[in-house]
Amino acid sequence: DIQMTQSPSSLSASVGDRVTITCRAGQSISSYLNWYQQKPGKAPKLLIYAASSLQSGVPSRFSGSGSGTDFTLTISSLQPEDLATYSCQQSYSTPYTFGQGTKLEIK
Amino acid sequence: QLQLQESGPGLVKPSETLSLTCTVSGGSISSSSYYWGWIRQPPGKGLEWIGSIYYSGSTYYNPSLKSRVTISVDTSKNQFSLKLSSVTAADTAVYYCASVGSYCSGGSCKYYFDYWGQGTLVTVSS
Repeated sequence: DIQMTQSPSSLSASVGDRVTITCRAGQSISSYLNWYQQKPGKAPKLLIYAASSLQSGVPSRFSGSGSGTDFTLTISSLQPEDLATYSCQQSYSTPYTFGQGTKLEIK
Repeated sequence: QLQLQESGPGLVKPSETLSLTCTVSGGSISSSSYYWGWIRQPPGKGLEWIGSIYYSGSTYYNPSLKSRVTISVDTSKNQFSLKLSSVTAADTAVYYCASVGSYCSGGSCKYYFDYWGQGTLVTVSS
């Protein structure tokens, strides 16, 4: 199985801040990397697919980058509604695996 | 836009079989544009992929669960189902069904879970 490791596990930031979350794969996964947002008590929502493609309807303040083993999710200007847990997921090979999640809190 | 809804018992006894159904609306489960998946999340923990099924019936399971899992499709009802046998307390989780979309370029396709059901909590307890 390909292990996905996110950092940090949690972070606190202020409205308007630029926020970066990192995801590292245990082996090269090219750009087979997706990002999800999960608000408390809700199902995950797809934000970014194929490492850098923005899902339809997702605000442009979200962006993804990376290839190989290292990936980042960036929120360019944090909004109050971005309070959530963010998870990465590899689709390079089955079993598909997720990172442990990064809990984002608003100061 | 696709909508998915899980249904099934919220409480299952240890050693019994967990059975859930996902009803798809807003599109055909037989569409070659999608395949379908189950993901679970134990309380306070991360997401775990259980398995996926193509409209043709081809299945892919997580090896950690493969001996206990069956995923099937009922095209007449636009539904797909999950069965997990011999459950224990470790199987207590919120279970999600999802559609698997794809982005294809240069002869390869990248897959992602694009539409999700709201999730259903299944507790394993006597």
